[in-house]
Amino acid sequence: KAGVTQTPRYLIKTRGQQVTLSCSPISGHRSVSWYQQTPGQGLQFLFEYFSETQRNKGNFPGRFSGRQFSNSRSEMNVSTLELGDSALYLCASSLDWGGGTEAFFGQGTRLTVV
Amino acid sequence: GQNIDQPTEMTATEGAIVQINCTYQTSGFNGLFWYQQHAGEAPTFLSYNVLDGLEEKGRFSSFLSRSKGYSYLLLKELQMKDSASYLCAVREGGKLIFGQGTELSVKP
Repeated sequence: KAGVTQTPRYLIKTRGQQVTLSCSPISGHRSVSWYQQTPGQGLQFLFEYFSETQRNKGNFPGRFSGRQFSNSRSEMNVSTLELGDSALYLCASSLDWGGGTEAFFGQGTRLTVV
Repeated sequence: GQNIDQPTEMTATEGAIVQINCTYQTSGFNGLFWYQQHAGEAPTFLSYNVLDGLEEKGRFSSFLSRSKGYSYLLLKELQMKDSASYLCAVREGGKLIFGQGTELSVKP
C-alpha cells in the first residue's frame, strides 16, 4: 500500500509570501502530525490532526496553521514567510490519535525562503 | 519539563555491534520510537516500544525501561549503509518529542 505522500517536494518562496503544503496519509490512517526540521533545532512538533480536528499544537506562532479534510488528507499553511521558516517540513501518519500506534513519515517538503 | 538525551556522535566498525542510548524525562509517555534518517531524507521508522523489555527486528533491537526513563537501540552486524542519524522520540499524547539525534559513522 502507498506510504505517506507530501507535495510539493521542494519550494522556493520570498519573504512575506504564504505557502500551503499537503500531506496524504497512509490509507486507513486518521491521524496526521506535522513537524519542522532544521539543523539547529532538530525535529519540532507543529500540530496534530485527527478526524478533522486539531488535537495538539506545538510552540509555533499563529502564522503556522493547518487543517484536515474528511478523507484524512491534511494541509499546512505558513503565512508572512520569514527567512527562519526555511526548513524541511515533515508529516507523520498514524492509525489513531493519542499514542499507542506507529508513526510513519512522508518524504517531506523542503521549503527555502529567500 | 521535557528532555530527551542521546549521544551526538558515535563511530563503529563494519560488522560490529553498536548500542545507542536514549534517556528521557517527559510529562507523559505513550511509547518510544526509534527512527533512522539518512542525510537529506525523511526519517524511517525502525521500532516502537510501549512496554518494558526488548523488541527484536532483524539486525535491530530496541529496549525500554519506563521506570528508568531509558531506551537503547542495538544494531548488529553493522553495514556501511547503517551510517545515518538515529533519532529517539517519545510519544506524549498525540505528539512526538525528538532528541537531537545520534550521528553514527560506520568505518570499514
